[in-house]
Amino acid sequence: AQSVTQPDIHITVSEGASLELRCNYSYGATPYLFWYVQSPGQGLQLLLKYFSGDTLVQGIKGFEAEFKRSQSSFNLRKPSVHWSDAAEYFCAVGLLTGGGNKLTFGTGTQLKVEL
Amino acid sequence: EPEVTQTPSHQVTQMGQEVILRCVPISNHLYFYWYRQILGQKVEFLVSFYNNEISEKSEIFDDQFSVERPDGSNFTLKIRSTKLEDSAMYFCASSVEWGREVYEQYFGPGTRLTVT
Repeated sequence: AQSVTQPDIHITVSEGASLELRCNYSYGATPYLFWYVQSPGQGLQLLLKYFSGDTLVQGIKGFEAEFKRSQSSFNLRKPSVHWSDAAEYFCAVGLLTGGGNKLTFGTGTQLKVEL
Repeated sequence: EPEVTQTPSHQVTQMGQEVILRCVPISNHLYFYWYRQILGQKVEFLVSFYNNEISEKSEIFDDQFSVERPDGSNFTLKIRSTKLEDSAMYFCASSVEWGREVYEQYFGPGTRLTVT
């Protein structure tokens, strides 16, 4: 069964600093990988996705992520964090089944931004 | 931009009562999902639905749960006899799948269910 590990439960960065959120997955085939963001009281918003091709993917809000098959990782990065980026970030792996694309989520990383 | 909507945003119910959570997926999407997130825990898959039938369900989705697409726009999750441990945020999602390509799931804002 597939699984996703986000080793950092909480991360605090200063506004303007760079950010990297870690994600490792376990999956037997080529994974479909996603990053979602959840602001307080809000639903899940898709930041970016990786299906195939270029291993560096660009997303919304200035985020990017790099797929590294050898490390089973899909880390999320942003060069300069804004205070509005404070939220919870979820990495997810998609399993293509007859029923669509079932997502398995990591436990999330809570990002705090210090002004 | 099209979005998934869910009603109500917050539902409080007593243990043993039936609840129905409602979702309106994006209109041209073909696959529908329910997930839940217990407070402080990760988002968990409950069920997927395609072509008017359940495609896959998790161990969580027992006989107390059911899903339905009663008309061309709504997608509902029913819990027949709620338990305290059903208290969670319930997310509806929808996606388009074309052939073997996988498309991202779009999530609604969630319904917070509180069972007392």
